[in-house]
Amino acid sequence: SQKIEQNSEALNIQEGKTATLTCNYTNYSPAYLQWYRQDPGRGPVFLLLIRENEKEKRKERLKVTFDTTLKQSLFHITASQPADSATYLCALEGGANNLFFGTGTRLTVIP
Amino acid sequence: DTGVSQDPRHKITKRGQNVTFRCDPISEHNRLYWYRQTLGQGPEFLTYFQNEAQLEKSRLLSDRFSAERPKGSFSTLEIQRTEQGDSAMYLCASSQTTGVANQPQHFGDGTRLSIL
Repeated sequence: SQKIEQNSEALNIQEGKTATLTCNYTNYSPAYLQWYRQDPGRGPVFLLLIRENEKEKRKERLKVTFDTTLKQSLFHITASQPADSATYLCALEGGANNLFFGTGTRLTVIP
Repeated sequence: DTGVSQDPRHKITKRGQNVTFRCDPISEHNRLYWYRQTLGQGPEFLTYFQNEAQLEKSRLLSDRFSAERPKGSFSTLEIQRTEQGDSAMYLCASSQTTGVANQPQHFGDGTRLSIL
């Protein structure tokens, strides 16, 4: 069955550093992958979508890569700020337009 | 604010009672999704509508669950004879289909259900 693993439950980094989050998947070949941010008690907020024919996507301080050979996506936040502290979710198309989410990585940026 | 809105935000009920949640999607979006999220997990897909047609249901959606989107606008999710295991955050999302392979989904802030 499909499986998505996000590298760790929690990641702590110092303010100003680059945070790198990993999403690995198995038994699947998605046409695209999405990253969402979720704050406590709130719904997920869409950040970036990357398609299988794209290697890299950028948006301001965010960068996503998608390696369909390794079955992996990396999500980078450069010049991290305490306001970036949240849970970040990786999501793949689950077939017929729904999304299949990982369990998320809780990022804490320490001032 | 023209985002996805969900009502109520919190619902506490006794085991065995029926509950109904409402979702108002972004007005121009023709697709509407329901997800369930438990603590420490990512959202899990339950069902989705394109306009008023319910096109897919997850095996997580037992016979006690029913969802409707009668006029292709707002949607309701009803849980009958609630059980302890139904305690979760129920999230609604919407998106707009285009010719391009799938668009981002926009989520509401969910209804948190607690079963006593």
